[in-house]
Amino acid sequence: AQTVTQSQPEMSVQEAETVTLSCTYDTSESDYYLFWYKQPPSRQMILVIRQEAYKQQNATENRFSVNFQKAAKSFSLKISDSQLGDAAMYFCAQGSGGYQKVTFGTGTKLQVIP
Amino acid sequence: DTAVSQTPKYLVTQMGNDKSIKCEQNLGHDTMYWYKQDSKKFLKIMFSYNNKELIINETVPNRFSPKSPDKAHLNLHINSLELGDSAVYFCASSPWTGGNTEAFFGQGTRLTVV
Repeated sequence: AQTVTQSQPEMSVQEAETVTLSCTYDTSESDYYLFWYKQPPSRQMILVIRQEAYKQQNATENRFSVNFQKAAKSFSLKISDSQLGDAAMYFCAQGSGGYQKVTFGTGTKLQVIP
Repeated sequence: DTAVSQTPKYLVTQMGNDKSIKCEQNLGHDTMYWYKQDSKKFLKIMFSYNNKELIINETVPNRFSPKSPDKAHLNLHINSLELGDSAVYFCASSPWTGGNTEAFFGQGTRLTVV
């Protein structure tokens, strides 16, 4: 069984500062992939970044980057130069297997303070 | 041009009624899903269909019945609605690949049972 744990229910960051959201996971699969999704108040789930487990290099997308520690089963999201539009719920997710079953964490609510 | 669209966006209904939520994707994906997000924002998979065939059926009351007339559509029918069914229901789709993929989500349907 796959589990995804986000231990920070809420986080806050000052505008233009950097914040890191934590995520740990557990899986017995050897081939899997990890995601961070953003859910703003509009409810739309938006993919922020993804990481293939076989890749050692950490994924980056503009101001968003991950710290993927495979041995520790850790997948944190770093947001640099935080903007007001970054305020949202952030969900860590893990998927594996041929059926693309994705398991989500419980989410971290990020507040950006002007 | 919406990739994954759900209707309706909001649904308020009385206990005991039967209702349906429709989902359509124009991405050409083979796999579609239904997720339920409860009041605590926890997102959990309910069903997964691949090419109109049921692949994943998590522990969901049999009052919930998915229907896939073709691979671009996955509707969710709920019988005898209960108060506990109140939640946001998300439809999603992903390509049928064995490796890295991501799910594209609809905007969600907020169901309120009164």
